[in-house]
Amino acid sequence: GQQVMQIPQYQHVQEGEDFTTYCNSSTTLSNIQWYKQRPGGHPVFLIQLVKSGEVKKQKRLTFQFGEAKKNSSLHITATQTTDVGTYFCAGPPGTASKLTFGTGTRLQVTL
Amino acid sequence: EAGVVQSPRYKIIEKKQPVAFWCNPISGHNTLYWYRQNLGQGPELLIRYENEEAVDDSQLPKDRFSAERLKGVDSTLKIQPAELGDSAVYLCASSFRQGWYGYTFGSGTRLTVV
Repeated sequence: GQQVMQIPQYQHVQEGEDFTTYCNSSTTLSNIQWYKQRPGGHPVFLIQLVKSGEVKKQKRLTFQFGEAKKNSSLHITATQTTDVGTYFCAGPPGTASKLTFGTGTRLQVTL
Repeated sequence: EAGVVQSPRYKIIEKKQPVAFWCNPISGHNTLYWYRQNLGQGPELLIRYENEEAVDDSQLPKDRFSAERLKGVDSTLKIQPAELGDSAVYLCASSFRQGWYGYTFGSGTRLTVV
């Protein structure tokens, strides 16, 4: 079955440093979605990428979808303590409609 | 507009007891999902509804889990009997179109089986 892996599993940065998480799928994805889950909270939808090579920005967050539509990345510039949480990528393989979540990257930001 | 509403927020039960979770999706979202999230892991799909029809329940342990979505709106997920390994957060989500557009998750029900 489809597997979606993320690296790193955990990253601890100081406020102001940059952060990147990488998402790799074993199968081609029709789209990729990113979610943020604060500690004790539920996943919150951030963004969806659909096109091969697509890049989208949300303030300090930059999302990229790979050319082969099997990988993606999320880059945060100048992290803040409000960025703390676990970031999940998720995508439906091929023409399927089931959204499979990645393993997640937990981000810790300290002053 | 209210988001996805789930209840209860927390539930502690003894093993072998039954338990039920309730979900009210966002109005107009025809697709409803139940996910289970274990500590430190990503959500895993249990069942997906398109209106009142369960279109993907391949990951639902049918010997003890059941779900229904009457009239294509609210949904209930039941476990009977519960086992220690069922302890997890049960998340309900809804979306406008399956697999496309972001999912809106409820706050989840944290189940502890003792």
